[in-house]
Amino acid sequence: DGGITQSPKYLFRKEGQNVTLSCEQNLNHDAMYWYRQDPGQGLRLIYYSQIVNDFQKGDIAEGYSVSREKKESFPLTVTSAQKNPTAFYLCASRSGNYGYTFGSGTRLTVV
Amino acid sequence: AQSVTQLDSHVSVSEGTPVLLRCNYSSSYSPSLFWYVQHPNKGLQLLLKYTSAATLVKGINGFEAEFKKSETSFHLTKPSAHMSDAAEYFCVVSDIGSARQLTFGSGTQLTVLP
Repeated sequence: DGGITQSPKYLFRKEGQNVTLSCEQNLNHDAMYWYRQDPGQGLRLIYYSQIVNDFQKGDIAEGYSVSREKKESFPLTVTSAQKNPTAFYLCASRSGNYGYTFGSGTRLTVV
Repeated sequence: AQSVTQLDSHVSVSEGTPVLLRCNYSSSYSPSLFWYVQHPNKGLQLLLKYTSAATLVKGINGFEAEFKKSETSFHLTKPSAHMSDAAEYFCVVSDIGSARQLTFGSGTQLTVLP
């Protein structure tokens, strides 16, 4: 079945460390997105990519970085510059104008 | 710029009674609007979408929503709540640029009481 796979499901990071969250899709979608979700809030856009080797900052890109070397993959790195990284991270891809598919998310906790 | 306001952060209903989750939007153009549902620690599932066709939109699991331009509203309803409807619901608006970025409301937590 086609879909989006995010891994790991749970991730623990020590302060000062960079961590990378994986997002892989086999839907052949061109556009991919990373969102951050905090309790009691909706999702906020971190980065998005419309084609391979191109990506744009979203509303809250500071402290994050991405790459898009392959159509199927859009990893997100949470750097030590991100002051409050504990959150639920969701990856999505899009087909056409409105056909969004979301992954099941990664919960990142700083310990 | 567009925005979405979900008027209730929590809604509780009894099983078998109607559900109403309220959403108002702000947009400088004719918007595309969505309702998504999220169960704990899960991704988002699309319930329904409005994209300038019929103003009454029917979705999955018996949910529907009505786009009212004069009231800038897109409320989500269901005639009879089921225990499995307990989840968080997000009202979402899409921009019209090529990136089709989504702007989310803050969510409404629906509790269904037995």
